[in-house]
Amino acid sequence: DQQVKQNSPSLSVQEGRISILNCDYTNSMFDYFLWYKKYPAEGPTFLISISSIKDKNEDGRFTVFLNKSAKHLSLHIVPSQPGDSAVYFCAARASGSARQLTFGSGTQLTVLP
Amino acid sequence: NAGVMQNPRHLVRRRGQEARLRCSPMKGHSHVYWYRQLPEEGLKFMVYLQKENIIDESGMPKERFSAEFPKEGPSILRIQQVVRGDSAAYFCASSPGTQTNTGELFFGEGSRLTVL
Repeated sequence: DQQVKQNSPSLSVQEGRISILNCDYTNSMFDYFLWYKKYPAEGPTFLISISSIKDKNEDGRFTVFLNKSAKHLSLHIVPSQPGDSAVYFCAARASGSARQLTFGSGTQLTVLP
Repeated sequence: NAGVMQNPRHLVRRRGQEARLRCSPMKGHSHVYWYRQLPEEGLKFMVYLQKENIIDESGMPKERFSAEFPKEGPSILRIQQVVRGDSAAYFCASSPGTQTNTGELFFGEGSRLTVL
């Protein structure tokens, strides 16, 4: 039972354009959502997060949007840079949980120069 | 280096042998999490520990797998009698005892287990 789903295994974008990565979830108890970035042979690194009481959070080139009614969130990267090429994982945490995160399967983003 | 430290980075075992993976959390962090990433898949939660306590092991296989976080020393993920299906990257993450603003976990670089 995949509670966090990233339906696009890969995405290619031209440098300078916008990258939009999508994530859907099924568990209504999720109250905090995070995006992690992972390079090959490295551990995931935190990128940006959003609480369920908000619908948008922005940090530089990265913006996360949350649509609670649709149980959908997205990560926008603009402008995209070749160094953004990595696997992006969506993660969620349930309220009252012991802080562990549930991860999606990831989307490989390739930014073409 | 104040980050999450995992060792070994790579471990090769033959079927039936034991694998021990170690994790030292970030300085000041008292909570440790273990995740497993199978090839072409996302990270799956295995176990959450605080010093000398297992808080949540709902993601741990019922047999052959165990984890500990002693009062002194690193957290250890132990896999007995390894099988080929145990081949994966095992990631450790840590967090402070109090809620951080971002709720993030800090990950190590992972230990890649290959079972021959």
